[in-house]
Amino acid sequence: AQSVAQPEDQVNVAEGNPLTVKCTYSVSGNPYLFWYVQYPNRGLQFLLKYITGDNLVKGSYGFEAEFNKSQTSFHLKKPSALVSDSALYFCAVSPLTGTASKLTFGTGTRLQVTL
Amino acid sequence: DGGITQSPKYLFRKEGQNVTLSCEQNLNHDAMYWYRQDPGQGLRLIYYSQIVNDFQKGDIAEGYSVSREKKESFPLTVTSAQKNPTAFYLCATSSSAGSSYEQYFGPGTRLTVT
Repeated sequence: AQSVAQPEDQVNVAEGNPLTVKCTYSVSGNPYLFWYVQYPNRGLQFLLKYITGDNLVKGSYGFEAEFNKSQTSFHLKKPSALVSDSALYFCAVSPLTGTASKLTFGTGTRLQVTL
Repeated sequence: DGGITQSPKYLFRKEGQNVTLSCEQNLNHDAMYWYRQDPGQGLRLIYYSQIVNDFQKGDIAEGYSVSREKKESFPLTVTSAQKNPTAFYLCATSSSAGSSYEQYFGPGTRLTVT
């Protein structure tokens, strides 16, 4: 069975500072990894994905994530945080089966960026 | 939220009543999914469908039912057998084409049962 752990319920960072949101995973076979962001009372928005290739993946809004196979991690990063980045962030993993990507989500990390 | 519509945004029902949540997409995606979101628990998969007239149970299917009669539509019925139906329900779709494995989400329906 696949699983995702997001060890921090909340991350606090000052605007302009770098941010990291942590994610570790467990899956049989090669992982497909995703980051999503959710604003209050809204659906999830796709940020970025790792399928294969370079371990550093760049996504929307200046976010990037680093895939580390030996540590089974996929941490989300941004060099300079903005107040508007404050939201709930979800990491997800999938072992692609057939035509459906059956995602397993972490419990989410709330990012709070302050002035 | 793109081409995925969920209606209504807020829904209130009395305990013991069945309720159907709508999900429509115009993305021409083959696969559709229903998730339930509860505070502190992330998203949990209820049902998913890869093609019309076929669907599979997810991790928490008990008390729910779905149908997939059209590619564009994947309604979810929350039955009276669901013990804790109050939650935020999210519909998602994904394409089987190329390497686009990511899922796209609708705006969600918040269901409150009293």
